[in-house]
Amino acid sequence: AQSVAQPEDQVNVAEGNPLTVKCTYSVSGNPYLFWYVQYPNRGLQFLLKYITGDNLVKGSYGFEAEFNKSQTSFHLKKPSALVSDSALYFCAVRGFNDYKLSFGAGTTVTVRA
Amino acid sequence: EPEVTQTPSHQVTQMGQEVILRCVPISNHLYFYWYRQILGQKVEFLVSFYNNEISEKSEIFDDQFSVERPDGSNFTLKIRSTKLEDSAMYFCASIGQPMANVLTFGAGSRLTVL
Repeated sequence: AQSVAQPEDQVNVAEGNPLTVKCTYSVSGNPYLFWYVQYPNRGLQFLLKYITGDNLVKGSYGFEAEFNKSQTSFHLKKPSALVSDSALYFCAVRGFNDYKLSFGAGTTVTVRA
Repeated sequence: EPEVTQTPSHQVTQMGQEVILRCVPISNHLYFYWYRQILGQKVEFLVSFYNNEISEKSEIFDDQFSVERPDGSNFTLKIRSTKLEDSAMYFCASIGQPMANVLTFGAGSRLTVL
């Protein structure tokens, strides 16, 4: 069975400061890892993915994430957060032969001006 | 950019009533999914659908639920007799083929059961 843990329910940062949202996963075989963002009353928007290759992947809106196989982690990062980054962030995983995503519980990010 | 569209955006229904949530996946996509998100909780997989049949379903997807692709464009989720605990946001998603990797989600349909 595959699963995702997002250990922090909430992350609060000041605008301009670095933002990190943590994610660890469990899956059989090589993982396919994703980050999605959800703004209020909106659907899930894809941010970035790791499939293979470079452990540091870059995505939309200046976000990046680092895949760490030994720690089974895929933390989302942004060097300089914006107020508009305030949203709910979900990490998700699927296995190579699995066609469905398993989501973490989500982390609410609040960026204060 | 192609979108997954869902209707209605919000539906209020009485307990025991039947509800149909509709989705129009991206036109050349082949795999379709329903997920739900109870308020304040994680996004949960309900069912996946490929080649006009269910390919996988979760334990949440009991006999009260059914899915259908009645024509070439719509993908529906039916809840036969709604319960209070069915109140949630329901998301439809589609993907061209699994190796494309990225599920595209709709904006969701909020179901409120009274």
